[in-house]
Amino acid sequence: DGGITQSPKYLFRKEGQNVTLSCEQNLNHDAMYWYRQDPGQGLRLIYYSQIVNDFQNGDIAEGYSVSREKKESFPLTVTSAQKNPTAFYLCASSRGQGGVVRAKNIQYFGAGTRLSVL
Amino acid sequence: SQQGEEDPQALSIQEGENATMNCSYKTSINNLQWYRQNSGRGLVHLILIRSNEREKHSGRLRVTLDTSKKSSSLLITASRAADTASYFCATDSVINQAGTALIFGKGTTLSVSS
Repeated sequence: DGGITQSPKYLFRKEGQNVTLSCEQNLNHDAMYWYRQDPGQGLRLIYYSQIVNDFQNGDIAEGYSVSREKKESFPLTVTSAQKNPTAFYLCASSRGQGGVVRAKNIQYFGAGTRLSVL
Repeated sequence: SQQGEEDPQALSIQEGENATMNCSYKTSINNLQWYRQNSGRGLVHLILIRSNEREKHSGRLRVTLDTSKKSSSLLITASRAADTASYFCATDSVINQAGTALIFGKGTTLSVSS
């Protein structure tokens, strides 16, 4: 799982509760990503950030929020507005964009957080 | 939106056999990558092939890319039980015209029995 740490490994959410998933990387990567994976499905992009203090919506941002106050950290909050939060959440990072790096956006993934609803 | 579609969805083979999985995508790309995911774990990058390359090798892996057909294949030779995993292709795509993020297919689940 490289230098990306996700915590917790398992998380349970009660009705109406916001929960935050942690993602920390020590790879000195500029770009970070959050994906959602449902059983038997591929990865869907929730949010991504190319640089500190900046982030962009992915395909399924509704009901989620993120922050990028530090280069190493990209926490994801699953809000009460997300009515179907049960899924496997994966965080990833890459060197970033610009110049030749743009063509080499190899992503490094954490081990994931499995979120369930109580 | 999912750019890549892997085929087959599931593949079962015996140890020592070769495994071939295919990926089709919809729009022009800069590069295509293959990733592997063991059950309940994160993804691990296997190989990247650029749009101007047709074939690439890495150990027992061989990847081909046909940009005219918008398709790629991943061949694992002499497979082992440890190759049992899901395999995803991923293509780059401009999102919100602000950067490049990967778009993943739904994956092929490979089971290798000894």
